[in-house]
Amino acid sequence: DAKTTQPNSMESNEEEPVHLPCNHSTISGTDYIHWYRQLPSQGPEYVIHGLTSNVNNRMASLAIAEDRKSSTLILHRATLRDAAVYYCILRDAINTDKLIFGTGTRLQVFP
Amino acid sequence: DAGVTQSPTHLIKTRGQQVTLRCSPKSGHDTVSWYQQALGQGPQFIFQYYEEEERQRGNFPDRFSGHQFPNYSSELNVNALLLGDSALYLCASSQFYEQFFGPGTRLTVL
Repeated sequence: DAKTTQPNSMESNEEEPVHLPCNHSTISGTDYIHWYRQLPSQGPEYVIHGLTSNVNNRMASLAIAEDRKSSTLILHRATLRDAAVYYCILRDAINTDKLIFGTGTRLQVFP
Repeated sequence: DAGVTQSPTHLIKTRGQQVTLRCSPKSGHDTVSWYQQALGQGPQFIFQYYEEEERQRGNFPDRFSGHQFPNYSSELNVNALLLGDSALYLCASSQFYEQFFGPGTRLTVL
């Protein structure tokens, strides 16, 4: 299973942009990059995913490096509700339902 | 839509006992996955059920078993409980690429 590397923790102030990095140097051609987040006392929730091109949705943007060995989740304006653990996951396009979580990045947002 | 529901919310057992956890998937979802999350760690994949069959399995011993019913709901059974089985057990249902997680069952083994 391909591995990802993320910083253990990051901090941000409310209404500022947040860039959460993820390294995945062993990514294969069929791996999708998925991001999930886990709010306190809740199960993880899907944020965004992509393969090669940058992606945007109502929650966040995903910027993928040209060589696909790294990616960045961008929260355009952090809110207190965005405080969570963010997981970067490589998901094999063939084994489409199995998620391999790392330890994630704990994001703190200050008012 | 109620989303993914799990029961019970909390459970306390003693070593050697057996436990059954239950999960109802999101409406329309036919695939159910189970994860174990130890304190301070990310969730670890246990296994996945589709069409009442175990389709994939993670690195967990045979003490962990499961079942999926015709209505797609699922059970996770753990036999001969160990102290190390204390964790949050998460159920997730999916239909395409996105998995929807329930709130989990907190199992404490004494």
